Amino acid sequence: KAGVTQTPRYLIKTRGQQVTLSCSPISGHRSVSWYQQTPGQGLQFLFEYFSETQRNKGNFPGRFSGRQFSNSRSEMNVSTLELGDSALYLCASSLVGENTEAFFGQGTRLTVV
Amino acid sequence: KQEVTQIPAALSVPEGENLVLNCSFTDSAIYNLQWFRQDPGKGLTSLLLIQSSQREQTSGRLNASLDKSSGRSTLYIAASQPGDSATYLCAVTNTYNFNKFYFGSGTKLNVKP
Repeated sequence: KAGVTQTPRYLIKTRGQQVTLSCSPISGHRSVSWYQQTPGQGLQFLFEYFSETQRNKGNFPGRFSGRQFSNSRSEMNVSTLELGDSALYLCASSLVGENTEAFFGQGTRLTVV
Repeated sequence: KQEVTQIPAALSVPEGENLVLNCSFTDSAIYNLQWFRQDPGKGLTSLLLIQSSQREQTSGRLNASLDKSSGRSTLYIAASQPGDSATYLCAVTNTYNFNKFYFGSGTKLNVKP
């Protein structure tokens, strides 16, 4: 059974550019969440999607956005990149409903120069 | 707001030792508690999920306990091995926000051969 797949694994972008990251959840999982991990702030919640709808959003500026497609694949977009956006971006998927285990992908390492 | 604390921040032990990692949370209205392992530069690997109605879960050499009333969880690792070296993260979801993980800052474990 394939796990959560995130692409690309590594990205280098210039300040001011925009970037799109992709996440393919485990087959049958309809909930997809995104997290940002930095050495200073640790793991912080960005947003969660279920059935193409954003159900929850963390405290990030509007430059961070996402979407989910009908096949549950999700993308997140960061516009007008800043140096502080350099981080490991992690995607998690889980089955519908409470009390279910979340599974994470390997992450996308974004470096903004 | 839920806050999760992990103690100690780092731990170094000789191979073969049994060890305990601690996690505390401020809001006892949790839905799930999940322990993860993270290797350097990699994603999160799920180790154990404890639902709010449970008191412990076991998988191989790992045992996790949950005491909601005191806001604490422990991860017990028996007969540690060098391959157990990694950062261990504790994460909780709340009953009013069960799709959002609140993470601790992790315990970095080094098991010396």
